[in-house]
Amino acid sequence: NAGVTQTPKFQVLKTGQSMTLQCAQDMNHEYMSWYRQDPGMGLRLIHYSVGAGITDQGEVPNGYNVSRSTTEDFPLRLLSAAPSQTSVYFCASSTNRVNTGELFFGEGSRLTVL
Amino acid sequence: GQQLNQSPQSMFIQEGEDVSMNCTSSSIFNTWLWYKQDPGEGPVLLIALYKAGELTSNGRLTAQFGITRKDSFLNISASIPSDVGIYFCAGQNYGGSQGNLIFGKGTKLSVKP
Repeated sequence: NAGVTQTPKFQVLKTGQSMTLQCAQDMNHEYMSWYRQDPGMGLRLIHYSVGAGITDQGEVPNGYNVSRSTTEDFPLRLLSAAPSQTSVYFCASSTNRVNTGELFFGEGSRLTVL
Repeated sequence: GQQLNQSPQSMFIQEGEDVSMNCTSSSIFNTWLWYKQDPGEGPVLLIALYKAGELTSNGRLTAQFGITRKDSFLNISASIPSDVGIYFCAGQNYGGSQGNLIFGKGTKLSVKP
């Protein structure tokens, strides 16, 4: 019963480097999403997907890229890391592509950009 | 865009006390949800509310969907040390980009043993 698995759990980058945060779910969920969590800011939606081949922007998409080639995987790419992208990133999935509120979250990926 | 005002931002309580927190919005929502985040973990869904006026319990937790659809509250009865964490409210409307959750900024709960 793995649920939502995120890798890596911790990462340090230098400004300008690129990297990919991996997210995989084994629950056959159609809806997947990426959030970032910053102190005092709650959770803000970066990108989301309602199914394989379909992605869309959330509240704070700039500097991030996503793709959804399979139902299971939803990687988040940082194109050119900036210190403002230092944050904790959460991947989440839901069984319902319309009523997507009942989210299952991964354990998070803590990213520091120097 | 839509915003949720969650209060209080933080609270310290004595073990055994009851706790109340609430969430308000200037916009209506079709669904209200409450999540809890333990330190170093991802949020976990506690309660989901789907009808205005609905009152739902999950063990010592009780949540209500406000009749105006613009607010919700969460009560925790007889708090214990494992209640420590951050509680988030979230609102949702169905369909398209509106189907994505809007989260409050959280209420950090600390319990004095």
